[in-house]
Amino acid sequence: AQSVTQLGSHVSVSEGALVLLRCNYSSSVPPYLFWYVQYPNQGLQLLLKYTSAATLVKGINGFEAEFKKSETSFHLTKPSAHMSDAAEYFCAVSQRRNTGGFKTIFGAGTRLFVKA
Amino acid sequence: GAVVSQHPSWVICKSGTSVKIECRSLDFQATTMFWYRQFPKQSLMLMATSNEGSKATYEQGVEKDKFLINHASLTLSTLTVTSAHPEDSSFYICSASSPGSSYEQYFGPGTRLTVT
Repeated sequence: AQSVTQLGSHVSVSEGALVLLRCNYSSSVPPYLFWYVQYPNQGLQLLLKYTSAATLVKGINGFEAEFKKSETSFHLTKPSAHMSDAAEYFCAVSQRRNTGGFKTIFGAGTRLFVKA
Repeated sequence: GAVVSQHPSWVICKSGTSVKIECRSLDFQATTMFWYRQFPKQSLMLMATSNEGSKATYEQGVEKDKFLINHASLTLSTLTVTSAHPEDSSFYICSASSPGSSYEQYFGPGTRLTVT
């Protein structure tokens, strides 16, 4: 069964500092991995996705993530945090169902705080 | 592109009444739509998957007679919470995907349901 673990429910960084949000997954088949961002009382917005192409994936707003199969990790980074990055971030893994279609499992989420 | 809308954005209803939430894909045809539930400060929990023209597939533990899902067209899915109770109060989020989207979903902005 697939699962997603996000280490750290809260991460606090100073503006301009490196952002590192950790995600580990388990999947019996090559996974499709995603990072989403959620602002208060809104739906989820896709930051980036890994679909078995390049292991270093670049997304929107300066975020990127590296797929490391040996570590079963897909950590999200951004070199320099901005105040507007403060939000909830979800790592997710999608996998095809035996009955057709697919299912997505989300991690518990990491709330990012950015200090001025 | 790939915009998904939800209506209403928030609703308050009395215990025992039913509430319908609409999810629309505005600029693409969504063969599959997903309904999630999100409790405060928690992750998304998949409730059901609906495919256009067929019955929805409910996740284990989700009452299909309580949460009625209809996916009558390629751009509209509805979730009806029947005989609502205060414990049904939550944030409901829909998402949509189209064929060949590499498991990518496009999320609606969510509906906040409060049952009094």
